[in-house]
Amino acid sequence: DVKVTQSSRYLVKRTGEKVFLECVQDMDHENMFWYRQDPGLGLRLIYFSYDVKMKEKGDIPEGYSVSREKKERFSLILESASTNQTSMYLCASSKPQGTGELFFGEGSRLTVL
Amino acid sequence: EDQVTQSPEALRLQEGESSSLNCSYTVSGLRGLFWYRQDPGKGPEFLFTLYSAGEEKEKERLKATLTKKESFLHITAPKPEDSATYLCAVHFLKDSWGKLQFGAGTQVVVTP
Repeated sequence: DVKVTQSSRYLVKRTGEKVFLECVQDMDHENMFWYRQDPGLGLRLIYFSYDVKMKEKGDIPEGYSVSREKKERFSLILESASTNQTSMYLCASSKPQGTGELFFGEGSRLTVL
Repeated sequence: EDQVTQSPEALRLQEGESSSLNCSYTVSGLRGLFWYRQDPGKGPEFLFTLYSAGEEKEKERLKATLTKKESFLHITAPKPEDSATYLCAVHFLKDSWGKLQFGAGTQVVVTP
């Protein structure tokens, strides 16, 4: 069964901490995405990547960075976590031309105190 | 600014009571419209892709349709297992390949 796996389902961090969210996919997909999901706002794109070491900003990249050193792995980094980054973070992958057909992980719920 | 609006926000149905969900978008050119289902505590699961007005897709009790300004997701004779949040996403012509605009979703509860 094909999968997108996010390393942590629940995290609690303190303001100012550095946070790493890891995502691994086993479908050999070129494209990978990080979204955040907040009630009433839907999913908003943070960053996406179409190849190893390649990345592009989404709609809300401020306060985040990403790393893609291997095709199957895409990491989201919060350099200095803030309370307004408390959210559900969703990783997804897709085939090269599959902009709309995304395969999502189960999400990482981050609480920043 | 292009927006995707879903209505209603929540829908409560009796088992067998058919209904429709709406996804409307500002008209600025569409590459594609996508429907997802999201269960509590899970990531969204892809359902359908629609590319042009008049197109229809079906899967079990779900049928998605597309016009020039909106899409409908029809749920026919729903069962409790159809309870979920249904998300609509649009890839606008003006956006690069990776950018989808998601609606806030419609939460559907089907009671026995």
